[in-house]
Amino acid sequence: DAKTTQPPSMDCAEGRAANLPCNHSTISGNEYVYWYRQIHSQGPQYIIHGLKNNETNEMASLIITEDRKSSTLILPHATLRDTAVYYCIVRALEYGNKLVFGAGTILRVKS
Amino acid sequence: DGGITQSPKYLFRKEGQNVTLSCEQNLNHDAMYWYRQDPGQGLRLIYYSQIVNDFQKGDIAEGYSVSREKKESFPLTVTSAQKNPTAFYLCASSVGTRIQETQYFGPGTRLLVL
Repeated sequence: DAKTTQPPSMDCAEGRAANLPCNHSTISGNEYVYWYRQIHSQGPQYIIHGLKNNETNEMASLIITEDRKSSTLILPHATLRDTAVYYCIVRALEYGNKLVFGAGTILRVKS
Repeated sequence: DGGITQSPKYLFRKEGQNVTLSCEQNLNHDAMYWYRQDPGQGLRLIYYSQIVNDFQKGDIAEGYSVSREKKESFPLTVTSAQKNPTAFYLCASSVGTRIQETQYFGPGTRLLVL
């Protein structure tokens, strides 16, 4: 089972920053936090991942709290094409490299 | 272009029929995975392979079979023993199996039972 908690849905105005929260209070010291997104009827797309430091790439920023019990994915300037289901995943140790996907957050970017 | 391809995009299966879903990658990745996604739900792991000629069962392997004869290919067969095969099937690959390895996904195959 997924070890993360995310809000079921969020709305964001186009051009504004989208901040997607995730709680992972049972994360262990060597587990990474991953974010993927899935646009309807497509395969999941990798966004970013991190261990304890904040991370940034061309798509997004990941802010992880000091106690690592929660994180926030930031899309700095959301566009309509960012409308998708966003999954926060803590990397499981079982079955090799299994990704455990929960229900995710439906992000709706509106004009 | 480097990437993961899955074919076909849509597949129809008759009752009692076995069907095979294709997954090919030209990323030179060692590990490959098959996931199943049901409407409104997350992904569940069916099988994974860390190296050629080796594969392991995931959480829902019953009714499925795989082979890994080549590094770039990991076909999934949905057998007649799988009683509820209608779903979206996703293939993924990663460079290796270290905990921080990133998995990249193909576009998926939607399987429908007639």
